Amino acid sequence: EPEVTQTPSHQVTQMGQEVILRCVPISNHLYFYWYRQILGQKVEFLVSFYNNEISEKSEIFDDQFSVERPDGSNFTLKIRSTKLEDSAMYFCASRTGISNTGELFFGEGSRLTVL
Amino acid sequence: KQEVTQIPAALSVPEGENLVLNCSFTDSAIYNLQWFRQDPGKGLTSLLLIQSSQREQTSGRLNASLDKSSGRSTLYIAASQPGDSATYLCAVRIPNYGGSQGNLIFGKGTKLSVKP
Repeated sequence: EPEVTQTPSHQVTQMGQEVILRCVPISNHLYFYWYRQILGQKVEFLVSFYNNEISEKSEIFDDQFSVERPDGSNFTLKIRSTKLEDSAMYFCASRTGISNTGELFFGEGSRLTVL
Repeated sequence: KQEVTQIPAALSVPEGENLVLNCSFTDSAIYNLQWFRQDPGKGLTSLLLIQSSQREQTSGRLNASLDKSSGRSTLYIAASQPGDSATYLCAVRIPNYGGSQGNLIFGKGTKLSVKP
């Protein structure tokens, strides 16, 4: 069964360092998302991406964050200068473009620990 | 602003019991509602998706209902098993008023423990 894959599964970094989290969405999907979950808290929307551009972003997604689809398969989330409060599980998700009501499929997540 | 609430926060039941998890949302303008399962430290596994025009969806021992007008959904698990132990998340898909996209708003989840 097709699935969303994410790498790395866990990354530890020092405050101020740049981090890139990678996702390979399901191959025929057209809409891509990043969500995050701080330990013990709700899953929160960060950004959605369609047709090679950001279609929506939350207030969390500030200038320190960027997303890119560098080739036909990868979808990346970059954090330019990590802060302690960026420590969280980051989830990538994708869905088809068939309708606006399509199901989102999530990856296993990338756990980011900022020291 | 859409808020999603899940009650109870935690639930412990003996194996074999039927149980109901509750989800409520404040704004009925939703595209759909998804129930997810999350095992500790793991990703989100989609269980059921109910479109805003539907009343319920079933998959195996799981049945999810949706009452959009009252802002409620329930997830019914029949004949619970220890393997059902996980956190169950409810999420509503809301319109993006600036475009054609829509993102998910999650509840905090119900942590279910099924005792053998």
